Amino acid sequence: GESVGLHLPTLSVQEGDNSIINCAYSNSASDYFIWYKQESGKGPQFIIDIRSNMDKRQGQRVTVLLNKTVKHLSLQIAATQPGDSAVYFCAEGNTGNQFYFGTGTSLTVIP
Amino acid sequence: DAGVTQSPTHLIKTRGQQVTLRCSPKSGHDTVSWYQQALGQGPQFIFQYYEEEERQRGNFPDRFSGHQFPNYSSELNVNALLLGDSALYLCASSRDRARYNSPLHFGNGTRLTVT
Repeated sequence: GESVGLHLPTLSVQEGDNSIINCAYSNSASDYFIWYKQESGKGPQFIIDIRSNMDKRQGQRVTVLLNKTVKHLSLQIAATQPGDSAVYFCAEGNTGNQFYFGTGTSLTVIP
Repeated sequence: DAGVTQSPTHLIKTRGQQVTLRCSPKSGHDTVSWYQQALGQGPQFIFQYYEEEERQRGNFPDRFSGHQFPNYSSELNVNALLLGDSALYLCASSRDRARYNSPLHFGNGTRLTVT
């Protein structure tokens, strides 16, 4: 079956620095990937998505990179702020199928 | 525009009891998926409903069942509760996943505690 994993379970960064959160996936048939942010006591919140026909997509302060050759996904957060402290999940899926989620990376922003 | 809403927010039940959780999808969404999230883990897929039918199911026992209503809202039922069923239950809605690669939009979940 599919598996989605994250390289680092925890990440601490200084406020204002850039953050990079990594994710590995195993199903080469996955064609759609999403990053979610989950704050304590809340459900996962959509951050950004990317389809397999792209290798980079940018949003507001966030960039997702997709490397299909090594089945790797990353989320870059520019100028990290205290409000970015949360658990970040990557999810993989394809049309018609369920999403598989990784274990998550806990990001802590140090003021 | 209301997002995904779930009720109740918290629930405490005893082993062996039954529970029903409710979800209203985001406006414009017709597909509802349920996930179980244990503490410190990522969400695990339970099942997905579309057009009032269960379309996909994850690796969960038959004690977990669901329903989708004509207005797209959904219920998750769990029978014969076990201590291990204690978790955050998340509802997510989306456009028809069979035709669109669209993201899931999650509610804030129901925290179920089984004692």
